[in-house]
Amino acid sequence: DGGITQSPKYLFRKEGQNVTLSCEQNLNHDAMYWYRQDPGQGLRLIYYSQIVNDFQKGDIAEGYSVSREKKESFPLTVTSAQKNPTAFYLCASRGQGKGTEAFFGQGTRLTVV
Amino acid sequence: AQSVTQLGSHVSVSEGALVLLRCNYSSSVPPYLFWYVQYPNQGLQLLLKYTSAATLVKGINGFEAEFKKSETSFHLTKPSAHMSDAAEYFCAVSIYGGSQGNLIFGKGTKLSVKP
Repeated sequence: DGGITQSPKYLFRKEGQNVTLSCEQNLNHDAMYWYRQDPGQGLRLIYYSQIVNDFQKGDIAEGYSVSREKKESFPLTVTSAQKNPTAFYLCASRGQGKGTEAFFGQGTRLTVV
Repeated sequence: AQSVTQLGSHVSVSEGALVLLRCNYSSSVPPYLFWYVQYPNQGLQLLLKYTSAATLVKGINGFEAEFKKSETSFHLTKPSAHMSDAAEYFCAVSIYGGSQGNLIFGKGTKLSVKP
């Protein structure tokens, strides 16, 4: 089945550590996105990529980094510079065309301990 | 600039009652509009989308939405709420370029269904 897979589902991080969240899709989509979700704040865009080896900052990119070395993969690293990383992280992918919908993974809940 | 506003962060209805979740958009060009549903600790799932074909769009789970250009609205409705409809609902609009990565989401409306 085609889809988008995020791992792990739950992740615990100690303060000062970097952690990487995985996102893989087999939908052959060019565009991929990372969102952060906090209660009452909806979805906020961290980074997005519309083509391999290229990505752009979203509204809250500080403290995060990404790479897009393969079309299928768009990992997100939460660095120690992110002061409040505890949140639910969602990855999405989307085909070409403004009328196409985004497909979402099941999310990763990151908790700082 | 394009944007989307969802009126009401929390809506509560009784089981069997009408569900109405409001979404207004701002767009200088014909928009593409989407409604998504999110159950706790899960990703978003597409309910329906408007892509300029029919103004009344039917989606999954008995939901539908009507595109009204004169009111710049795309409200989501369901005639009879079910307990399983309790979730958070997001309206989104597709845009050209911009820092939003081509999709802008509303802040969401949490739907509660009382027995």
